[in-house]
Amino acid sequence: DAGVIQSPRHEVTEMGQEVTLRCKPISGHNSLFWYRQTMMRGLELLIYFNNNVPIDDSGMPEDRFSAKMPNASFSTLKIQPSEPRDSAVYFCASSHFLGLAGGRTAQYFGPGTRLLVL
Amino acid sequence: RKEVEQDPGPFNVPEGATVAFNCTYSNSASQSFFWYRQDCRKEPKLLMSVYSSGNEDGRFTAQLNRASQYISLLIRDSKLSDSATYLCVVNFSNDYKLSFGAGTTVTVRA
Repeated sequence: DAGVIQSPRHEVTEMGQEVTLRCKPISGHNSLFWYRQTMMRGLELLIYFNNNVPIDDSGMPEDRFSAKMPNASFSTLKIQPSEPRDSAVYFCASSHFLGLAGGRTAQYFGPGTRLLVL
Repeated sequence: RKEVEQDPGPFNVPEGATVAFNCTYSNSASQSFFWYRQDCRKEPKLLMSVYSSGNEDGRFTAQLNRASQYISLLIRDSKLSDSATYLCVVNFSNDYKLSFGAGTTVTVRA
């Protein structure tokens, strides 16, 4: 089975440009997560979707960041305008949530997008 | 206090040695526990879930101590390929959120 798919794998852009990161979760998973990882701050949860609906976006750093999930097999994370401090590895992960009584399976991560904003 | 704390290491061990390290968590209502490994410039990958009674997966043994709120990972007969950062991951109250530790770095030398 295919795992979580992310594109692009690498992105180099200039400050002020729009950046769009893409993710295809594992088929059948109903939860999707966007994370950011840096050496200084480790792994940070940005936003979480359940059944395509954003549940918690409290980790989104500011209004320059937005995320969408138009259907169960696709999500985007957009940064507009991008800044050098956005440079990081952005991971998408998916899992299957069985409800509060049923618990959750582990999250499975995509290979990440390595973003460098100059 | 961080929700999940790990000794960052590094743990430098020779091939064939046993290495073990712990992770503490702050929320006593925590429900699910996992160990992930992350190789340099790669994504975190699930190594194993941690069950209440403890569990083994080959050379890896995970233990949970709810009373003291820690989990442990033991690696027997270390291989060079075990060199990685091991992330302790805790799920509180079966909701969606996983809390990740900062990771413990293990380096196995020939």
